[in-house]
Amino acid sequence: GAGVSQSPRYKVAKRGQDVALRCDPISGHVSLFWYQQALGQGPEFLTYFQNEAQLDKSGLPSDRFFAERPEGSVSTLKIQRTQQEDSAVYLCASSLEPRDTYNEQFFGPGTRLTVL
Amino acid sequence: DQQVKQNSPSLSVQEGRISILNCDYTNSMFDYFLWYKKYPAEGPTFLISISSIKDKNEDGRFTVFLNKSAKHLSLHIVPSQPGDSAVYFCAASETGANNLFFGTGTRLTVIP
Repeated sequence: GAGVSQSPRYKVAKRGQDVALRCDPISGHVSLFWYQQALGQGPEFLTYFQNEAQLDKSGLPSDRFFAERPEGSVSTLKIQRTQQEDSAVYLCASSLEPRDTYNEQFFGPGTRLTVL
Repeated sequence: DQQVKQNSPSLSVQEGRISILNCDYTNSMFDYFLWYKKYPAEGPTFLISISSIKDKNEDGRFTVFLNKSAKHLSLHIVPSQPGDSAVYFCAASETGANNLFFGTGTRLTVIP
C-alpha cells in the first residue's frame, strides 16, 4: 500500500504490561512523527524522527515512553508498565522532507490502546 | 494549555448549504495553518492549508480564511455534501517546528 500503516490497530493491555506499537511510513519519507490522541481531544505531539535520528522527544509524557527508528524507516513506540491514562489512539505520520513546516504530514489509521 | 481551540464540538448543516467551521489560536508565532478531515477508524487526512502571509486560500468547494489580528481562522465548505460528514481538525505550526498543534475537532454532519 502507498499510505502509512500501523499495527496492531487495536491493543488491550493489562495495567503494568509493556506494549510495542509499529509504524510503517510511506517509503522514502524522511520525517516521522508520533502523536497521542485521547478521547475527545485532538492529536498531541509525542516525538519526531528525521531518518533514524530522534530530534525531538519533548512530547513524550514520561520515561515509560520510548520510540525508535533504527534504520530510518519503520518506527516502534514502546510503552513500559502501561497505566490507565495511557489509553488513547496513537497516530503515526510521515512527511517527505525534513522539518519542513509546509510539507504535508500523512497520517496512519492509528493504534487504539486500551489499558485495563 | 490549548494553543489551538475549536469551540464548537459539532455542527449540522443541510446538504447544499454552507458549512463554516471556526478555529482560534493563542500563539502569535504560528505561521502556517492546516485543516484535516477525519473519518471513523481512519487517520486524519490533509484538506487545505494557509500561510500567514495570506488571508484566504481556496481549493474547489473548500476555502480557508485567516484573520491574524483576531488569531482566528475558518473553513468554509460550499456547497456541503453528505460525504463531507466527518470530524474536522484545525492545526497550526511555526517555521522550523517539528510538530503540529491540533484543536479538539468539530464533528460536521451534512443532512441529505
